[in-house]
Amino acid sequence: RKEVEQDPGPFNVPEGATVAFNCTYSNSASQSFFWYRQDCRKEPKLLMSVYSSGNEDGRFTAQLNRASQYISLLIRDSKLSDSATYLCVVSGLQGSNYKLTFGKGTLLTVNP
Amino acid sequence: DTEVTQTPKHLVMGMTNKKSLKCEQHMGHRAMYWYKQKAKKPPELMFVYSYEKLSINESVPSRFSPECPNSSLLNLHLHALQPEDSALYLCASSQSGSFSGNTIYFGEGSWLTVV
Repeated sequence: RKEVEQDPGPFNVPEGATVAFNCTYSNSASQSFFWYRQDCRKEPKLLMSVYSSGNEDGRFTAQLNRASQYISLLIRDSKLSDSATYLCVVSGLQGSNYKLTFGKGTLLTVNP
Repeated sequence: DTEVTQTPKHLVMGMTNKKSLKCEQHMGHRAMYWYKQKAKKPPELMFVYSYEKLSINESVPSRFSPECPNSSLLNLHLHALQPEDSALYLCASSQSGSFSGNTIYFGEGSWLTVV
């Protein structure tokens, strides 16, 4: 099982649609969880951290289920500017440092 | 705008060349990272420096040699690279490497082509 697995995508949705991305991770000792966004030929940027209680930031809602080792991201009322690759990221301890492990990413295209 | 600055943005080098990628951050972060990203793949961790000491080396070939001259600077020295080493090299930093919840901030990356 890969360390972090995401929906393979790509997702093509119309403006205004709701889209959900799923992610699973294999290391039950993982500590922190994030969604990053990466635009074409740009660096990854933090979209939001994911907390056990679930968290919302505007149109974006992230959920974490530690028992199932599952993370999700919901985007409501999609905008053209949401088009990007969404990376599920998990932080785990290696030695005395934490390292991020990235999923392969899911490409989202929002169409007019 | 990113607060992690990488130079050069683009680099073309021959297989016998020696070159360096440079990274600088002024956020007072004490952990710095090098990632490599190939097209349509996620970033892959290469090295982690924590408090200016190398703490993680993900079995990277010795033709890549990292250096952390001080807490703000991180270099990646390149020598005798192969065409398959062509990729986007991303530098990143975080407040520390010993807290899992720290946000990692990426620079814009250096696009490397080995010919």
